[in-house]
Amino acid sequence: EAGVVQSPRYKIIEKKQPVAFWCNPISGHNTLYWYRQNLGQGPELLIRYENEEAVDDSQLPKDRFSAERLKGVDSTLKIQPAELGDSAVYLCASSRGQGATEAFFGQGTRLTVV
Amino acid sequence: DAKTTQPPSMDCAEGRAANLPCNHSTISGNEYVYWYRQIHSQGPQYIIHGLKNNETNEMASLIITEDRKSSTLILPHATLRDTAVYYCIVRGTGNQFYFGTGTSLTVIP
Repeated sequence: EAGVVQSPRYKIIEKKQPVAFWCNPISGHNTLYWYRQNLGQGPELLIRYENEEAVDDSQLPKDRFSAERLKGVDSTLKIQPAELGDSAVYLCASSRGQGATEAFFGQGTRLTVV
Repeated sequence: DAKTTQPPSMDCAEGRAANLPCNHSTISGNEYVYWYRQIHSQGPQYIIHGLKNNETNEMASLIITEDRKSSTLILPHATLRDTAVYYCIVRGTGNQFYFGTGTSLTVIP
């Protein structure tokens, strides 16, 4: 079974530029998560989807961040415009959904804003 | 959501058992305890989870106290490849996984 696939693996952009991250979850997984991980910290939940519905986006900075999950499968996280403080690793995870199921994580996208 | 408390770092001799503690004193009856680990530059990896009973799989054992206010992850024979940050997570019915800062485990040769 293929794991959670994220791209790109690394991204370097100048501040004020837009950037997008893509995530392909494990087939059949209804729940999709986006996390941000700053250096030396644990992952911080940004948004959670149940199928195509965003059910928990309270930690998503909505002035510059947006996300979508069309058709309840792939997802894209966008930042526009990027700031220096957005430099972090962005992780995507998926799980089958409710109940005692684990979440599987991708390798993440390391973003550097210069 | 229940929060967890873990020591920031621990050392363990190679070949010995690594016992990683976690406090979750505000856990409620239907919340599960999950453990993940993260090796440098990789995404978090699932290890084990449990509700009330002790659990064991090919990677580790999870011991949950009777009052469920704390748990211990046991790696029975630690190897150098077990050096990682270990996260204890209490997962509620809302399907969220909230991470703390975890325990950085160093396995020493």
